[in-house]
Amino acid sequence: AQSVSQHNHHVILSEAASLELGCNYSYGGTVNLFWYVQYPGQHLQLLLKYFSGDPLVKGIKGFEAEFIKSKFSFNLRKPSVQWSDTAEYFCAVNYHPSAGTYKYIFGTGTRLKVLA
Amino acid sequence: ETGVTQSPTHLIKTRGQQVTLRCSSQSGHNTVSWYQQALGQGPQFIFQYYREEENGRGNFPPRFSGLQFPNYSSELNVNALELDDSALYLCASSLVPGGGYTFGSGTRLTVV
Repeated sequence: AQSVSQHNHHVILSEAASLELGCNYSYGGTVNLFWYVQYPGQHLQLLLKYFSGDPLVKGIKGFEAEFIKSKFSFNLRKPSVQWSDTAEYFCAVNYHPSAGTYKYIFGTGTRLKVLA
Repeated sequence: ETGVTQSPTHLIKTRGQQVTLRCSSQSGHNTVSWYQQALGQGPQFIFQYYREEENGRGNFPPRFSGLQFPNYSSELNVNALELDDSALYLCASSLVPGGGYTFGSGTRLTVV
């Protein structure tokens, strides 16, 4: 079965520290890649997405992610975190097991806590 | 932007019963998918509908079924409820299959 791995389950950082959250997937074919964020008490929101082209994608709130095909990775980064970035972050992959069909896999999530 | 709305927000059912959860997609979105999220886990893909036809399914048994209507609302039906079906059920819509999703706040189902 295909999988998405988020290696960091809990991350604690101080404000202004840099952030990198790892995401690796197993599917060997073409994929669409996503990062979603869930702030406390809110629903999942799309942070950024990669379909094709420039492997470095920029999202909302200063987040970016880099797709490295050879490593099956799509790591999320932010140069300087803020207290308001405290949330749970989910990596997700969409792929086509056969023509016209879709599957989505989410990672188990990383809980980020930013200390003021 | 109307967002994705789900009803009800909470539901308690007895093992063996059937349940229907409802979702209203964001305006203009013709793709809807449903997810099951257990506590401490990421969302698990149940299925996706595009223009009223299922075009993707995760590893869930046939007792999980769905419908999408012409007005882009949708339903998730679960028959013969089991205790392990207790979870948060999320609906999400997208402009196109494979695109980024707009999620609803979910329906918390408890099976007793």
